[in-house]
Amino acid sequence: AQTVTQSQPEMSVQEAETVTLSCTYDTSESDYYLFWYKQPPSRQMILVIRQEAYKQQNATENRFSVNFQKAAKSFSLKISDSQLGDAAMYFCAYSGTNAGKSTFGDGTTLTVKP
Amino acid sequence: DADVTQTPRNRITKTGKRIMLECSQTKGHDRMYWYRQDPGLGLRLIYYSFDVKDINKGEISDGYSVSRQAQAKFSLSLESAIPNQTALYFCATSDPGAGKNIQYFGAGTRLSVL
Repeated sequence: AQTVTQSQPEMSVQEAETVTLSCTYDTSESDYYLFWYKQPPSRQMILVIRQEAYKQQNATENRFSVNFQKAAKSFSLKISDSQLGDAAMYFCAYSGTNAGKSTFGDGTTLTVKP
Repeated sequence: DADVTQTPRNRITKTGKRIMLECSQTKGHDRMYWYRQDPGLGLRLIYYSFDVKDINKGEISDGYSVSRQAQAKFSLSLESAIPNQTALYFCATSDPGAGKNIQYFGAGTRLSVL
């Protein structure tokens, strides 16, 4: 079974600075998807960014980018120019291409200091 | 209107009561999921359904049952609620084709079992 590990229960960053959230996963599959979801205090789960394992290029969405290291099974999220609205819990998730369902890490709570 | 709607948003019930959490979606997705979130833990899969006639247990299905009434509706039942089922429950949908397994979440149901 796949597992997803987020080793940082809590992180903090100064507004306008950059922060990196870590995620590692374990799988025997060669093709899969990886995701970062954001859960603000409103509790709504929101997709931040998605990476397809067969693509070597790291995904980028505005201020959010990933560092995908397939051999190391590592998938970190970098948030640049952090904003107060980025404060939330962030979940890393894995989905096999045929499975549909996702496996989630335990989350990292990000605090943004003004 | 939300694409994935969960009702109720909050529910308080007593030990031993039967309750149903409902989920409906307008995204036209065949795949639907029920997850449970506990403090400090990620989302854990309770049940999932790939179409009306295909329902599967997730990693924590004991004490729960589901019904897929139509493509758009997927209900979760607690036959006899117990206090350790107090949690935040999410319904989600996905499209394995164009959606690349992205999970689309409802707003969640916060359940308290006294």
